[in-house]
Amino acid sequence: QVQLVQSGAEVKKPGASVKVSCKASGYTFSDYFMHWVRQAPGQGLEWMGWINPYSGTTYAQNFQGRVTVTRDTSTRTTYMELSGLRSDDTAVYYCARESNRAHDSWGQGTLVTVSS
Amino acid sequence: QSALTQPASVSGSPGQSITISCTGTSSDVGGFNYVSWYQQHPGKVPKLMIYEVSSRPSGIPDRFSGSKSGNTASLTISGLQAEDEADYYCMSYRRGSTPYVFGTGTKVTVL
Repeated sequence: QVQLVQSGAEVKKPGASVKVSCKASGYTFSDYFMHWVRQAPGQGLEWMGWINPYSGTTYAQNFQGRVTVTRDTSTRTTYMELSGLRSDDTAVYYCARESNRAHDSWGQGTLVTVSS
Repeated sequence: QSALTQPASVSGSPGQSITISCTGTSSDVGGFNYVSWYQQHPGKVPKLMIYEVSSRPSGIPDRFSGSKSGNTASLTISGLQAEDEADYYCMSYRRGSTPYVFGTGTKVTVL
C-alpha cells in the first residue's frame, strides 16, 4: 500500500531554514507528482507547491523565493525546504501524492515550530 | 490568491442529508472539473473523499457525493452518521501562478 513517511518535528529560530523529508513506498515513485501542504494551528489547509517526476517545480505565489522542493529518485524521498522562517510559519507540513489532480495519499505531517 | 469560500459550519441530525458549498470563480471551480474534497478529523491527516468533482476513491461510502454548478461545487453527505463529524475542505485546480487552492473549510456537526 502507498505510504508516505515524513521526518520528525522541528523547532527553529526566526530567520532560520527547515528541511522536511517525505519517503515514499508502495508505488512507482517516478510516476507521480508530490505536493506540499501546510496547516497552521487551528487554521485551514494551504497549498505550497509541487514537484513533478522530472524535478520540475511550481510554487504558490505566497511562498515564491522562500520554498524549494526537491526529490531524490534513488531514495524515493521528496524534500521541502522553507527559508526565512517567521513565527507565522509555525504549522504542520504535509507531503501529499497527486492522482487525478487530487491528493490521494498524505504523509503523517511534520510540526515545525518557529520560536525565539 | 484568495481561498475558495465555504460555510464555516453545517450541522444535521443522524440520518439527515447535508450539503457543503465551495464557491470560487471561472478561473478555478467554474473553469475545470478538478475539484476535490477532504475530510479531516481533529488531529488527523486529511483524507480524500471526492476527486474530479464527483468521483469517489475506492473505499469511500456512496453516502458522499459531489457536484458542480457554475462556480460552485458541493459535497453532499446523505444518511449522516456520527463519524462524519469532522472538518471538510474543498480544493480546486486554478488558472494562474498558484495552480491549486483550498477552501476555507467547513466544520460538520452531527447533532
